[in-house]
Amino acid sequence: ETGVTQSPTHLIKTRGQQVTLRCSSQSGHNTVSWYQQALGQGPQFIFQYYREEENGRGNFPPRFSGLQFPNYSSELNVNALELDDSALYLCASSTDNRGSIMYEQYFGPGTRLTVT
Amino acid sequence: ILNVEQSPQSLHVQEGDSTNFTCSFPSSNFYALHWYRWETAKSPEALFVMTLNGDEKKKGRISATLNTKEGYSYLYIKGSQPEDSATYLCACGGSQGNLIFGKGTKLSVKP
Repeated sequence: ETGVTQSPTHLIKTRGQQVTLRCSSQSGHNTVSWYQQALGQGPQFIFQYYREEENGRGNFPPRFSGLQFPNYSSELNVNALELDDSALYLCASSTDNRGSIMYEQYFGPGTRLTVT
Repeated sequence: ILNVEQSPQSLHVQEGDSTNFTCSFPSSNFYALHWYRWETAKSPEALFVMTLNGDEKKKGRISATLNTKEGYSYLYIKGSQPEDSATYLCACGGSQGNLIFGKGTKLSVKP
């Protein structure tokens, strides 16, 4: 069973640029959620994708967008980067969004984004 | 807004000590309570998912209890070992299929 992987591991961008982060979900999982962890905070929910559709969204502006592909891998795109976007971005996969909070979610190791 | 609180923020114990942490959450609209263990530079690892009031779960030396009526969960580690050093996160299930996390308790176990 392959775990959740994320790429890249680290990334440095300049304010105003755009970035794409990638996540490969665990085999057999059709739901992917993205979280942002800023320094000193717990992970904050960005959005969730279930079978290629956005299925829920946290309190993040529209410049945070995403995609899920037919193989259930996912991308997080952030436009017009701001300094406050510097954070660890985590993705998590689960088997079914209807039960995704009732069962374990499997996290990747994260992508560390630094915006200068 | 659902707020999940964890205490203490950090904890330093000696090898062999037993310890416990607290996770507090609003008792209304409860779905599930998750505990994760997160070692530096690794992925958060699921420890427990609990859904029923009075649930108790155990995995080796780690156990957890849940009280949904008063809105708290305890995580216990018996006989702490250096490899238990990690940040322990709790999270409540939200209405959008998401998890709402606390800030975590950072445990350091000295040999």
